[in-house]
Amino acid sequence: EDQVTQSPEALRLQEGESSSLNCSYTVSGLRGLFWYRQDPGKGPEFLFTLYSAGEEKEKERLKATLTKKESFLHITAPKPEDSATYLCAVITGRRALTFGSGTRLQVQP
Amino acid sequence: DTEVTQTPKHLVMGMTNKKSLKCEQHMGHRAMYWYKQKAKKPPELMFVYSYEKLSINESVPSRFSPECPNSSLLNLHLHALQPEDSALYLCASSQEGATNEKLFFGSGTQLSVL
Repeated sequence: EDQVTQSPEALRLQEGESSSLNCSYTVSGLRGLFWYRQDPGKGPEFLFTLYSAGEEKEKERLKATLTKKESFLHITAPKPEDSATYLCAVITGRRALTFGSGTRLQVQP
Repeated sequence: DTEVTQTPKHLVMGMTNKKSLKCEQHMGHRAMYWYKQKAKKPPELMFVYSYEKLSINESVPSRFSPECPNSSLLNLHLHALQPEDSALYLCASSQEGATNEKLFFGSGTQLSVL
């Protein structure tokens, strides 16, 4: 059975303190790995798609990387407005997105 | 316009009520989705419509009935719900319904079943 596990479950950082979020997966036939950001009471907002091991994508303070077993979302010098839940999701075969349980990030000023 | 609009934003209903959730997008997307999200949990797929036809039903109880009147609209009809059905219901759309497409989500309907 396909599994997506995110860690840590929650993370508290000081403003400017860089860190990484992890998404490990055990799936058959990965067709894409997605990162979404979700603010409280809102729907997820698309950040990145990664398709193959070694691929990297960047957007402002965020950088996503992919290996054969996991993906990392690196946050460089975070700001309070980066506080949100970050969701990893995979696509395999013909199924739609399967989400991990998310990492709740809080960045304190 | 890159928005998916969901109405209502909040809904409280009794277990004997019938209500409907509505979703609309004007991006020309041909695939639309319903997800259910409980507090502090990830979204869980319920239904997928591709070109106005139901393509995925994730074994959802029959008290949830989806409808796709046209490519821009998606409804979720609710009847005889249980308190455990209380959750955030999210609608999403994507361009063609291919599995590797990014989804655009609405802000959701927060449903409380009393």
